[in-house]
Amino acid sequence: DLQMTQSPSTLSASVGDRVTITCRASQSYNRWVAWYQQKPGKAPKLLIWGVSNLVNGVPSRFSGSESGAEFTLTISSLQPDDFATYYCQHYSSFSFTFGGGTKVDIK
Amino acid sequence: QVTLEESGPALVKPTQTVTLTCTVSGFSLSNTGIRVSWIRQPPGGALEWLARIDWDDDKVYNTSLRTRLTISKDTSKNQVILKMTNMDPVDTATYFCARIGSRGFGLDYWGQGILVTVSS
Repeated sequence: DLQMTQSPSTLSASVGDRVTITCRASQSYNRWVAWYQQKPGKAPKLLIWGVSNLVNGVPSRFSGSESGAEFTLTISSLQPDDFATYYCQHYSSFSFTFGGGTKVDIK
Repeated sequence: QVTLEESGPALVKPTQTVTLTCTVSGFSLSNTGIRVSWIRQPPGGALEWLARIDWDDDKVYNTSLRTRLTISKDTSKNQVILKMTNMDPVDTATYFCARIGSRGFGLDYWGQGILVTVSS
């Protein structure tokens, strides 16, 4: 089964920092990659679908990209509301795979 | 608007079977392109996808758990049901149901989750 290896697992950053989180697919993949934000005690929130498509209402400081088997979530200027845990996810007709998560906390 | 709500027991004993129900509103489970998944998250842990059911009753399971899982739907009641057999303390987790969006296959709407604790 495809695995999504997400890194780093934790990230300490300051408000205003540029933050990058990556997920690497272990095998044959497609472009159905999404990113989620989760805050404690809440369900995850979809931020990006199809690698780089921003969900309506999500701030434009969030962006997604890919390079080969590596998928990236970038927050261009970290805001106080962005301290949370982020997950990547890959979809295929045979499976559905999450990355291990990246906790973004205050430096 | 679209909502999903999980229900089921909060506490189950080891070896028991748990049945979780996801009641949806704002869309029909029989509409073409509708897919609903179950996902779980142990306390302090990562998300783990469990199973998916499609509008045409196609079903897909997590490979490592497929022998223990059964997903089904009752379109008349707007419900997606997940059964998990032989529960173990390691299955203690918050169980979420979520709709898979038709664009890009991200999970666009989620329930609030239900914490299921496995303990004797």
